[in-house]
Amino acid sequence: DAMVIQNPRYQVTQFGKPVTLSCSQTLNHNVMYWYQQKSSQAPKLLFHYYDKDFNNEADTPDNFQSRRPNTSFCFLDIRSPGLGDAAMYLCATSRDLRLSSYNEQFFGPGTRLTVL
Amino acid sequence: ELKVEQNPLFLSMQEGKNYTIYCNYSTTSDRLYWYRQDPGKSLESLFVLLSNGAVKQEGRLMASLDTKARLSTLHITAAVHDLSATYFCAVDIMGNTGKLIFGQGTTLQVKP
Repeated sequence: DAMVIQNPRYQVTQFGKPVTLSCSQTLNHNVMYWYQQKSSQAPKLLFHYYDKDFNNEADTPDNFQSRRPNTSFCFLDIRSPGLGDAAMYLCATSRDLRLSSYNEQFFGPGTRLTVL
Repeated sequence: ELKVEQNPLFLSMQEGKNYTIYCNYSTTSDRLYWYRQDPGKSLESLFVLLSNGAVKQEGRLMASLDTKARLSTLHITAAVHDLSATYFCAVDIMGNTGKLIFGQGTTLQVKP
């Protein structure tokens, strides 16, 4: 089945120790997104890639970076995690927005990040 | 700035009862999505509503969209415990920017 996969599902890191979360997809979608979701809140968009074009949200801290080496993979790097970065990180994909009339996003299972 | 507001934010109901969740948004859009999220899990797409008057039904859930009123509803018929989850609506910003604006979420608790 076509899907969005995230690894690891649970990540524990220490304050200030860099961490990388990964996302892969077999849907062949052009657009990939990273969201941060804290408890009892809506997902918050951090950035998205439209093909190789990177789109950063204005309020995404510099501590968060992303890489998309190819269509299938996307990485979220947190350079110096703070206690406030503990959250669920969700990867999502959608079809080419130039070809589709709508933007239904398909979410991966998420990575729960704990910062000690 | 586009705002999306859901009402209520928390809903506790008995099995077998009917109820409606409302999603209001503040600017023009004719594309609205409903997602379900179980505790500790990811978001699952429930409905895609793409035009004024669109109505979609799946099991005990029915979603509708009124673009003139900037309102979508998610109606629950004869609730069962398995429907307990958080439900998010999300609105597509016009112009294919790739960005969805989510409501705050409505946590539904169905009691036996």
